[in-house]
Amino acid sequence: NAGVTQTPKFQVLKTGQSMTLQCAQDMNHEYMSWYRQDPGMGLRLIHYSVGAGITDQGEVPNGYNVSRSTTEDFPLRLLSAAPSQTSVYFCASSPTGFNSPLHFGNGTRLTVT
Amino acid sequence: SQQGEEDPQALSIQEGENATMNCSYKTSINNLQWYRQNSGRGLVHLILIRSNEREKHSGRLRVTLDTSKKSSSLLITASRAADTASYFCATDAFKLIFGSGTRLLVRP
Repeated sequence: NAGVTQTPKFQVLKTGQSMTLQCAQDMNHEYMSWYRQDPGMGLRLIHYSVGAGITDQGEVPNGYNVSRSTTEDFPLRLLSAAPSQTSVYFCASSPTGFNSPLHFGNGTRLTVT
Repeated sequence: SQQGEEDPQALSIQEGENATMNCSYKTSINNLQWYRQNSGRGLVHLILIRSNEREKHSGRLRVTLDTSKKSSSLLITASRAADTASYFCATDAFKLIFGSGTRLLVRP
């Protein structure tokens, strides 16, 4: 049972490039979410999904897109990378959403130069 | 803006001592959760306490919740070096919102 798997672990982008951060879970969780973690800022919610085909915005959605075509996968797309998007990105899932514990991946460390 | 805010931001104690961290939040909640993050890793869930509960235990962890004061505390008893980590509270006002965390250092 792998839990929540994020790829890649590290990524360096140039300003203006686009990329997709991958997140997959094998626990059949309905709820999935993306957070970014910056020093001194804690975790900030980017986007979340309560089930396949359903997504919604979090606190800091600008510059990011998501889709949820399957229960297992919840990719995060950076449309045109900016240095302000340099951060550590975490994907998390839970069975039912906000009222149950989140299971986190180990993160993707992204640097935009 | 963040819903939960932890206090203190950093805490250094000796192994065997107790560590207490506090969390304050702004709006009504259904539950409050505590997580631990070891350096370079994802967060790990510790305890979930519901708004109608006042205290919850899990091993060496004790969490209290005071909804009238909109605050919670996490007590780690008989701390160990392995407890060195950052601790975050998260509230579910609408979406699960995390505070900035308390960095705990337990010195051997």
